[in-house]
Amino acid sequence: AQSVTQPDIHITVSEGASLELRCNYSYGATPYLFWYVQSPGQGLQLLLKYFSGDTLVQGIKGFEAEFKRSQSSFNLRKPSVHWSDAAEYFCAVGETTSGTYKYIFGTGTRLKVLA
Amino acid sequence: DTEVTQTPKHLVMGMTNKKSLKCEQHMGHRAMYWYKQKAKKPPELMFVYSYEKLSINESVPSRFSPECPNSSLLNLHLHALQPEDSALYLCASKGLAASTDTQYFGPGTRLTVL
Repeated sequence: AQSVTQPDIHITVSEGASLELRCNYSYGATPYLFWYVQSPGQGLQLLLKYFSGDTLVQGIKGFEAEFKRSQSSFNLRKPSVHWSDAAEYFCAVGETTSGTYKYIFGTGTRLKVLA
Repeated sequence: DTEVTQTPKHLVMGMTNKKSLKCEQHMGHRAMYWYKQKAKKPPELMFVYSYEKLSINESVPSRFSPECPNSSLLNLHLHALQPEDSALYLCASKGLAASTDTQYFGPGTRLTVL
């Protein structure tokens, strides 16, 4: 079965420091990969996505992610973190099961930003 | 415009009440989703509608009853809920073309069952 792993439950970084959030997936075909961010009590906002093509994708809010097929990874990066980036981050893989498309979510990484 | 709206934003109900959650999108999407999210957990898929027909029910208890009256609207009817059903309920929608495999989420309804 397909799965998504986010190895880090919590990450704390200082404001202005660089950030990398890890995501590993298990999927037979070329995956559709997504990163979402969720502030407390809010919905999920799409940061970026990868379907095909250039393996380095740019997203909103200065985030980028790199798809590495050999490592089954899709890690999210940001060169300089802002205090407003503190939130929960979810990686997801899109899959089609019995003709219906759905997401497999990772367990999430909670980011804390120190002033 | 990639907006999905949900009402109400907050809902408190007793275990004998009947209430409904509403979700609306005007992006022409023909797939709509209900998720349940507990604190510090990822969203759990409950139901999927494709072309207004229920295509996935992830073994959700019958006290949750979804309805898709038209292509823009998705409801979740609630009856005889339990305190453990308290959660954030998220709606999402997606276009049905392969090039649009992105789900767009609403802000959610925070449900508290007393």
